[in-house]
Amino acid sequence: NAGVTQTPKFQVLKTGQSMTLQCAQDMNHEYMSWYRQDPGMGLRLIHYSVGAGITDQGEVPNGYNVSRSTTEDFPLRLLSAAPSQTSVYFCASTNAGNTIYFGEGSWLTVV
Amino acid sequence: GEDVEQSLFLSVREGDSSVINCTYTDSSSTYLYWYKQEPGAGLQLLTYIFSNMDMKQDQRLTVLLNKKDKHLSLRIADTQTGDSAIYFCAESPNTGGFKTIFGAGTRLFVKA
Repeated sequence: NAGVTQTPKFQVLKTGQSMTLQCAQDMNHEYMSWYRQDPGMGLRLIHYSVGAGITDQGEVPNGYNVSRSTTEDFPLRLLSAAPSQTSVYFCASTNAGNTIYFGEGSWLTVV
Repeated sequence: GEDVEQSLFLSVREGDSSVINCTYTDSSSTYLYWYKQEPGAGLQLLTYIFSNMDMKQDQRLTVLLNKKDKHLSLRIADTQTGDSAIYFCAESPNTGGFKTIFGAGTRLFVKA
């Protein structure tokens, strides 16, 4: 059972570089989202999507872009990485029953 | 805005019961969750409760909801070292779950 798959698991970037975190789910979920996890702050919503072609901003969207060209994929792009974006990133998908399924996380360090 | 608060740390002895508490502010919350995160892993749903329920029991886990006080608790009976993890309380006001609000997580330490 693949569930939600995120890549890469670890990444080090230099300030100003761009990169894309990939996320794919094989459960045919309509809803997908990206969170970042920082110490003592829980999970904060970056962007989310309610279906292919539809995205919206979450709580902390600045510096990130998303797209949803297919139901399965929801990539997160860092346009110009900053040290403040050092975090653990989780992709998630959910069904109408409201259970959220998380990927295993992507550890990003910006130096 | 909506907020979910929980203590950051809890330490218990193996075999004792653990009680992790959470308060939330959104009175329209429909779904309340407990997630578990083990080191280096993503979050896994432990259990959830609908806002029209007071209690839910699932093996060693008991969830209590006091809707009047907006207080949610998770009790783990006979706590084991394998229960050491971060436990996140979360609430969602709607279906779909993509606007779920998470607490900062309670790190549970289980001493042998």
